[in-house]
Formats: sequence, C-alpha cells, structure tokens
Amino acid sequence: AQSVTQLGSHVSVSEGALVLLRCNYSSSVPPYLFWYVQYPNQGLQLLLKYTSAATLVKGINGFEAEFKKSETSFHLTKPSAHMSDAAEYFCAVSELGYSTLTFGKGTMLLVSP
Amino acid sequence: ETGVTQSPTHLIKTRGQQVTLRCSSQSGHNTVSWYQQALGQGPQFIFQYYREEENGRGNFPPRFSGLQFPNYSSELNVNALELDDSALYLCASSGNGGSADTQYFGPGTRLTVL
Repeated sequence: AQSVTQLGSHVSVSEGALVLLRCNYSSSVPPYLFWYVQYPNQGLQLLLKYTSAATLVKGINGFEAEFKKSETSFHLTKPSAHMSDAAEYFCAVSELGYSTLTFGKGTMLLVSP
Repeated sequence: ETGVTQSPTHLIKTRGQQVTLRCSSQSGHNTVSWYQQALGQGPQFIFQYYREEENGRGNFPPRFSGLQFPNYSSELNVNALELDDSALYLCASSGNGGSADTQYFGPGTRLTVL
C-alpha cells in the first residue's frame, strides 16, 4: 500500500527566506505526485503535480518540486517566502491505474515578517 | 467555468442521526471523489464515483454511502452518526478518473457531531 510521509508538522521561516517542505513516498511502482495548499477554512488548491515527464516541476505562486526516485522524495521549495504563503501544505500520491489520492498529514507553513 | 461547490457549509448533528452532503462537480467533469479530513490530519479517501457508478472505496464502513446523478453531481450520506464522524468533508471532481488527473476540490462541509 502506498503512503506519504511529510517531515515536520510545522515549518517556520522568515519572509524572504527559502521554503523547503519535505515529502517522502512509499510506493511499489513509480507514482504520480501532487502538492496541494489549504488556506484556513478553504478546500485544497493544486500547486503542482509530477506525472513522469520532467523531474523538476514548476507550479503556481513560485513553488517547484523535484522528483527523486532514488530517494523516494518529492520536496517542495520556494526561493523566497511571502506572508501570503502561510497555509497548510499537503503532499499526495496516486498510483498508475488508481485515481484516488493518498495524502500526508500536512505541514503548516508559518511566515514571520 | 464554475468550480466545485458543496452544501451546506456547516452542519451540526447529534449521535445516531443521518446526514446528507451535496457536491456539484466542475463543468465537464464526470468523476467525483469524497474525502474526510479530521482535525489536524490529511484528507482520507472515502469513495469515488465515475459516470454514476462507484469506482473505488476507502476504509470506511457501509454507513457511509453515496450517489452520483446524471449531471455528475453527487451526495454523501452518513447514517448512525458517531462523534468521530466530526470532520471536514471534501468533494473533488476530475475529468475522467485517470490516475494523473488533477482533482479539483470544493470548499468542504464542516460536520460537527454532538
């Protein structure tokens, strides 16, 4: 069974600093990988997804993630944090042939001025 | 293009009652998935409907049931509510249910069971 581990339930950065949110997956076959963002009292919005094309995926709002098969990782980064990035971030995986998503527990990103 | 909508926004029920949550999928989408998000947790897959047929189910008991209508809108029904059913229920629609498909989420229904 596939699973997703997000290291760190909370990550704090200063405005302008690098954002790094970690995600590792466990899957028997190369998966499809997604990052979603959830603002308070809202649903989930897709930031980016990996579907076996380029290993470096660029998303919205300046975020990007790199698929590393050897490390079974799909970490999310942004060079310079903005106050508006404060939200909860979820990494998710789906396997070939299955369209359902398995989510990690989420990482709350806190951005201080 | 209208996004995914859900109703109601909030709901308060008591143990043992039944509840129906509704979801309208994004225009052009024929697949709807439902997720339960408990406080402080990631969403957990409940079930998926593709062209009015159940197309997969997560580890949820039979008292969680659903429907998809010809216009691809969907309902989630929960019978015999328990305190642990308190959660945010998210509906997501996608184009054809493929594993690389993006799922577009609605704002959710917050269910509180007292």
